[in-house]
Amino acid sequence: GAVVSQHPSWVICKSGTSVKIECRSLDFQATTMFWYRQFPKQSLMLMATSNEGSKATYEQGVEKDKFLINHASLTLSTLTVTSAHPEDSSFYICSASHTDSGNTIYFGEGSWLTVV
Amino acid sequence: TQLLEQSPQFLSIQEGENLTVYCNSSSVFSSLQWYRQEPGEGPVLLVTVVTGGEVKKLKRLTFQFGDARKDSSLHITAAQPGDTGLYLCAGGEAGSYQLTFGKGTKLSVIP
Repeated sequence: GAVVSQHPSWVICKSGTSVKIECRSLDFQATTMFWYRQFPKQSLMLMATSNEGSKATYEQGVEKDKFLINHASLTLSTLTVTSAHPEDSSFYICSASHTDSGNTIYFGEGSWLTVV
Repeated sequence: TQLLEQSPQFLSIQEGENLTVYCNSSSVFSSLQWYRQEPGEGPVLLVTVVTGGEVKKLKRLTFQFGDARKDSSLHITAAQPGDTGLYLCAGGEAGSYQLTFGKGTKLSVIP
Protein backbone atom coordinates (compact mmCIF):
# COMPACT_ATOMS: atom_id res chain seq x y z
CA GLY A 1 0.00 0.00 0.00
CA ALA A 2 0.85 3.65 -0.21
CA VAL A 3 3.43 4.82 2.30
CA VAL A 4 3.77 8.17 3.97
CA SER A 5 6.80 8.84 6.10
CA GLN A 6 7.39 11.51 8.70
CA HIS A 7 10.65 12.73 10.11
CA PRO A 8 11.65 13.09 12.83
CA SER A 9 9.61 10.61 14.85
CA TRP A 10 10.29 12.60 17.96
CA VAL A 11 12.06 15.84 18.72
CA ILE A 12 12.83 17.88 21.81
CA CYS A 13 13.51 21.57 21.43
CA LYS A 14 13.99 24.58 23.65
CA SER A 15 11.36 27.28 24.04
CA GLY A 16 11.76 30.00 21.46
CA THR A 17 13.42 27.86 18.86
CA SER A 18 11.92 26.54 15.63
CA VAL A 19 11.55 22.94 14.60
CA LYS A 20 10.75 21.44 11.21
CA ILE A 21 8.82 18.24 10.59
CA GLU A 22 8.88 16.58 7.18
CA CYS A 23 6.16 14.53 5.53
CA ARG A 24 7.01 12.48 2.48
CA SER A 25 4.92 10.31 0.22
CA LEU A 26 7.32 7.51 -0.67
CA ASP A 27 5.68 5.73 -3.57
CA PHE A 28 3.14 8.15 -4.95
CA GLN A 29 2.68 11.80 -5.76
CA ALA A 30 0.48 13.76 -3.42
CA THR A 31 -0.88 17.07 -4.60
CA THR A 32 -2.60 17.50 -1.27
CA MET A 33 -1.26 16.79 2.18
CA PHE A 34 -2.84 17.45 5.53
CA TRP A 35 -1.35 18.30 8.90
CA TYR A 36 -3.05 17.23 12.11
CA ARG A 37 -2.40 17.72 15.76
CA GLN A 38 -3.40 15.20 18.35
CA PHE A 39 -3.53 15.54 22.11
CA PRO A 40 -3.41 12.48 24.36
CA LYS A 41 -6.54 10.34 24.23
CA GLN A 42 -8.15 12.64 21.70
CA SER A 43 -8.92 12.45 18.02
CA LEU A 44 -7.03 14.16 15.24
CA MET A 45 -7.50 17.89 14.83
CA LEU A 46 -6.93 19.21 11.32
CA MET A 47 -4.53 22.13 11.32
CA ALA A 48 -4.11 22.88 7.64
CA THR A 49 -4.40 21.60 4.12
CA SER A 50 -1.21 21.78 2.12
CA ASN A 51 -1.40 22.04 -1.66
CA GLU A 52 1.65 21.60 -3.84
CA GLY A 53 2.84 24.88 -5.27
CA SER A 54 0.39 27.08 -3.40
CA LYS A 55 -0.25 28.48 0.04
CA ALA A 56 -1.66 26.22 2.70
CA THR A 57 -5.21 26.59 3.88
CA TYR A 58 -5.37 26.88 7.65
CA GLU A 59 -8.24 25.85 9.88
CA GLN A 60 -9.85 28.42 12.09
CA GLY A 61 -7.81 29.12 15.18
CA VAL A 62 -4.53 27.87 13.76
CA GLU A 63 -1.85 30.56 13.53
CA LYS A 64 -0.35 30.46 10.06
CA ASP A 65 2.67 32.52 11.12
CA LYS A 66 3.43 30.07 13.88
CA PHE A 67 2.86 26.86 11.96
CA LEU A 68 4.57 27.39 8.62
CA ILE A 69 3.70 24.87 5.95
CA ASN A 70 5.61 24.42 2.73
CA HIS A 71 4.62 21.95 0.02
CA ALA A 72 7.45 22.43 -2.43
CA SER A 73 7.11 19.19 -4.34
CA LEU A 74 4.59 16.46 -5.02
CA THR A 75 6.23 14.21 -2.45
CA LEU A 76 7.21 16.55 0.36
CA SER A 77 5.43 18.87 2.75
CA THR A 78 7.04 20.45 5.79
CA LEU A 79 5.58 21.88 8.97
CA THR A 80 7.75 24.35 10.87
CA VAL A 81 6.74 25.26 14.37
CA THR A 82 8.24 28.69 14.96
CA SER A 83 9.12 30.19 18.32
CA ALA A 84 7.99 27.02 20.00
CA HIS A 85 6.39 27.10 23.44
CA PRO A 86 5.69 24.23 25.84
CA GLU A 87 2.00 24.34 24.91
CA ASP A 88 3.02 23.43 21.34
CA SER A 89 4.14 20.05 22.66
CA SER A 90 1.96 17.51 20.93
CA PHE A 91 1.77 14.66 18.45
CA TYR A 92 1.78 15.98 14.90
CA ILE A 93 0.57 13.75 12.07
CA CYS A 94 0.52 14.30 8.34
CA SER A 95 -1.51 12.55 5.71
CA ALA A 96 -1.47 12.49 1.95
CA SER A 97 -4.15 11.82 -0.60
CA HIS A 98 -3.49 9.09 -3.14
CA THR A 99 -5.15 10.20 -6.35
CA ASP A 100 -5.27 6.67 -7.73
CA SER A 101 -7.36 5.38 -4.84
CA GLY A 102 -10.27 7.74 -4.73
CA ASN A 103 -10.75 9.45 -1.43
CA THR A 104 -8.26 7.32 0.46
CA ILE A 105 -5.89 9.10 2.77
CA TYR A 106 -2.67 7.60 4.05
CA PHE A 107 -1.11 8.75 7.28
CA GLY A 108 2.45 9.21 8.39
CA GLU A 109 3.74 7.64 11.57
CA GLY A 110 3.48 10.89 13.48
CA SER A 111 6.04 13.12 15.17
CA TRP A 112 6.22 13.75 18.89
CA LEU A 113 7.26 17.29 19.70
CA THR A 114 8.30 18.21 23.21
CA VAL A 115 9.15 21.82 23.92
CA VAL A 116 11.12 22.37 27.11
CA THR B 1 -19.44 22.01 9.13
CA GLN B 2 -20.07 18.28 9.00
CA LEU B 3 -19.84 16.41 12.28
CA LEU B 4 -19.35 12.74 13.02
CA GLU B 5 -20.53 11.40 16.34
CA GLN B 6 -18.68 8.28 17.36
CA SER B 7 -19.80 6.01 20.18
CA PRO B 8 -18.93 4.68 22.58
CA GLN B 9 -15.96 6.82 23.48
CA PHE B 10 -14.44 4.12 25.69
CA LEU B 11 -14.98 0.39 25.65
CA SER B 12 -13.40 -2.26 27.83
CA ILE B 13 -14.33 -5.86 27.18
CA GLN B 14 -13.11 -9.37 27.86
CA GLU B 15 -11.31 -11.40 25.24
CA GLY B 16 -13.76 -13.34 23.11
CA GLU B 17 -16.62 -10.88 23.40
CA ASN B 18 -18.22 -9.08 20.48
CA LEU B 19 -18.54 -5.32 20.15
CA THR B 20 -19.90 -2.66 17.84
CA VAL B 21 -18.69 0.90 17.36
CA TYR B 22 -21.00 3.44 15.77
CA CYS B 23 -20.35 6.52 13.69
CA ASN B 24 -23.31 8.81 13.01
CA SER B 25 -23.89 12.10 11.24
CA SER B 26 -26.74 14.25 10.04
CA SER B 27 -24.76 14.86 6.86
CA VAL B 28 -24.17 12.65 3.86
CA PHE B 29 -20.62 11.55 3.14
CA SER B 30 -19.29 10.32 -0.18
CA SER B 31 -17.08 7.84 1.64
CA LEU B 32 -16.42 6.62 5.13
CA GLN B 33 -13.10 5.35 6.34
CA TRP B 34 -12.18 3.47 9.47
CA TYR B 35 -8.73 3.72 11.04
CA ARG B 36 -7.01 2.05 13.95
CA GLN B 37 -4.34 3.91 15.85
CA GLU B 38 -1.93 2.63 18.45
CA PRO B 39 -0.31 4.98 20.98
CA GLY B 40 2.48 7.05 19.49
CA GLU B 41 1.76 5.99 15.94
CA GLY B 42 -0.21 7.35 13.03
CA PRO B 43 -3.64 5.97 12.13
CA VAL B 44 -3.68 2.93 9.89
CA LEU B 45 -6.45 2.61 7.34
CA LEU B 46 -8.67 -0.43 7.86
CA VAL B 47 -11.32 0.04 5.23
CA THR B 48 -13.06 2.53 2.94
CA VAL B 49 -16.76 2.23 2.16
CA VAL B 50 -18.34 4.31 -0.56
CA THR B 51 -21.71 2.77 -1.43
CA GLY B 52 -24.83 3.08 0.72
CA GLY B 53 -25.58 -0.25 2.36
CA GLU B 54 -22.11 -1.57 1.62
CA VAL B 55 -20.71 -4.22 3.93
CA LYS B 56 -17.03 -5.10 4.03
CA LYS B 57 -15.35 -7.78 6.08
CA LEU B 58 -11.76 -7.84 7.25
CA LYS B 59 -11.21 -11.10 9.14
CA ARG B 60 -13.14 -10.61 12.40
CA LEU B 61 -14.06 -7.01 11.57
CA THR B 62 -17.27 -6.15 9.73
CA PHE B 63 -17.85 -2.65 8.45
CA GLN B 64 -21.18 -1.32 7.25
CA PHE B 65 -22.10 1.95 5.54
CA GLY B 66 -25.67 3.09 6.11
CA ASP B 67 -28.09 3.15 3.20
CA ALA B 68 -28.25 6.95 3.36
CA ARG B 69 -24.46 7.25 3.75
CA LYS B 70 -24.88 9.14 7.00
CA ASP B 71 -23.75 6.45 9.40
CA SER B 72 -21.43 3.50 9.69
CA SER B 73 -20.64 0.74 12.12
CA LEU B 74 -17.68 -1.43 12.95
CA HIS B 75 -18.40 -4.83 14.48
CA ILE B 76 -15.64 -6.97 15.95
CA THR B 77 -16.32 -10.62 16.59
CA ALA B 78 -14.46 -12.52 19.29
CA ALA B 79 -12.23 -9.62 20.24
CA GLN B 80 -8.56 -10.29 20.90
CA PRO B 81 -6.07 -8.32 23.01
CA GLY B 82 -4.38 -7.36 19.75
CA ASP B 83 -7.52 -5.43 18.78
CA THR B 84 -6.79 -2.92 21.53
CA GLY B 85 -6.37 0.58 20.18
CA LEU B 86 -8.10 3.78 19.16
CA TYR B 87 -10.62 3.33 16.35
CA LEU B 88 -11.42 6.38 14.29
CA CYS B 89 -14.09 6.88 11.68
CA ALA B 90 -13.62 9.59 9.10
CA GLY B 91 -16.01 10.89 6.48
CA GLY B 92 -14.99 12.15 3.08
CA GLU B 93 -16.84 14.64 0.92
CA ALA B 94 -17.21 14.42 -2.84
CA GLY B 95 -14.55 16.37 -4.68
CA SER B 96 -12.39 16.82 -1.60
CA TYR B 97 -9.65 14.83 0.07
CA GLN B 98 -10.35 16.44 3.41
CA LEU B 99 -11.67 14.14 6.11
CA THR B 100 -13.96 14.81 9.03
CA PHE B 101 -12.98 12.66 11.99
CA GLY B 102 -15.05 11.26 14.78
CA LYS B 103 -13.66 11.61 18.29
CA GLY B 104 -12.57 8.01 18.35
CA THR B 105 -13.35 4.93 20.38
CA LYS B 106 -10.67 3.68 22.72
CA LEU B 107 -10.99 -0.08 22.89
CA SER B 108 -9.32 -2.22 25.52
CA VAL B 109 -9.57 -5.99 25.23
CA ILE B 110 -8.67 -7.71 28.47
CA PRO B 111 -7.07 -11.16 28.23
